[in-house]
Amino acid sequence: QVQLQESGPGLVKPSETLSLTCTVSGFSISANYYWGWIRQPPGKGLEWIGTVYYSGGTYYNPSLKSRVSISVDTSKNQFSLRLSSVTAADTAVYYCARAPFSPRVLDYWGQGTLVTVSS
Amino acid sequence: EIVLTQSPATLSLSPGERATLSCRASQSVSSYLAWYQQKPGQAPRLLIYEASNRATGIPARFSGSGSGTDFTLTISSLESEDFAVYYCQHRSNWPWTFGQGTKVEI
Repeated sequence: QVQLQESGPGLVKPSETLSLTCTVSGFSISANYYWGWIRQPPGKGLEWIGTVYYSGGTYYNPSLKSRVSISVDTSKNQFSLRLSSVTAADTAVYYCARAPFSPRVLDYWGQGTLVTVSS
Repeated sequence: EIVLTQSPATLSLSPGERATLSCRASQSVSSYLAWYQQKPGQAPRLLIYEASNRATGIPARFSGSGSGTDFTLTISSLESEDFAVYYCQHRSNWPWTFGQGTKVEI
């Protein structure tokens, strides 16, 4: 079955770059799908970060666009998130998720990983 | 950016009661609206897509309606496992956005 699993450091220092990877199993990342990142600060709601199409096209939240990059590695069946110049406001649970080309909805999610920004 | 406003923030109900959750968009999203359920410590789960289509495995007590700017998620008869936070989300254009959530509590 389709599974997504986030991985990466749980603690990042302020001003550094947050890097996370989502490993997809049970499904080819090269299929006609979108792959996205969503985050949730502790006790708050969901925020869409960005989405990458399997062929490489990207779409980012304008509020994060200057700091965010999402890419796909088809050889490893993974996609990645990089968020630069982090502050305490970037502390959140980060989720990766899949969206079919149509309908473009987030139908499978990873379990999420907590990233804390602190010195 | 399209803003989604959910109401009420909290809905206090009992098992067996009907729950009606609202999501209003700041501009038309056609039918490109989805609903998700999130329980504590878990990832969100897709319930409804394209405003009124139940996702795979979602019980029939969940239904969605609406188009344009006004949408409703209805749970016809609440069961204990339905007490959770519900989010709406649009995919009408980029950027995708979520509502702030409605908590359904006992």
